[in-house]
Amino acid sequence: KNQVEQSPQSLIILEGKNCTLQCNYTVSPFSNLRWYKQDTGRGPVSLTIMTFSENTKSNGRYTATLDADTKQSSLHITASQLSDSASYICVVSANVNSGTYKYIFGTGTRLKVLA
Amino acid sequence: NAGVTQTPKFQVLKTGQSMTLQCAQDMNHNSMYWYRQDPGMGLRLIYYSASEGTTDKGEVPNGYNVSRLNKREFSLRLESAAPSQTSVYFCASRRTSGLPLPYNEQFFGPGTRLTVL
Repeated sequence: KNQVEQSPQSLIILEGKNCTLQCNYTVSPFSNLRWYKQDTGRGPVSLTIMTFSENTKSNGRYTATLDADTKQSSLHITASQLSDSASYICVVSANVNSGTYKYIFGTGTRLKVLA
Repeated sequence: NAGVTQTPKFQVLKTGQSMTLQCAQDMNHNSMYWYRQDPGMGLRLIYYSASEGTTDKGEVPNGYNVSRLNKREFSLRLESAAPSQTSVYFCASRRTSGLPLPYNEQFFGPGTRLTVL
């Protein structure tokens, strides 16, 4: 069964600190993995994407890593800001047939950054 | 570019009432999707439309119908609302040309928060 599990469920950190969010998946056939940021009351917005051959991708203070062998990904946030308070969702897509993708969403990690 | 827009933003229905959630995108994307998001669960696909004129069931289609009115618009209809359909509904669109396909991301609307009493 295709599954995406994220940990922790929630996290509270102080402004300026770093944090790492985890994503484990069992999705086949794997196509790519995205991290999304979802602000409260808004739709998800893509932060990074990694395909099978990519093991790291950065977007400003966000750095995602992918280990396709262990089927694990992490999202590292450096020097956190109050605006980083949001839910972070890991989404893995499976290439079910040519040009058609199935998206499996994790339940998200809710991050709260305190001043 | 407005991106993906959804109306209404909020809605309260009584059990048995019907309503249509509207979604429109101005990015000339081929594919469009309807998801629901419930506490403690990942987004779940209700229906999708790979291209204008086609629609297919997703993971949780029961109780819903969709219409791909044209390339821009994709609506979701609840014929007889039930309390189990209380959720936040997101519409998304995705381009299926240009970049290598895995890199074509889904763009999400702001969501419709639906409560069924």
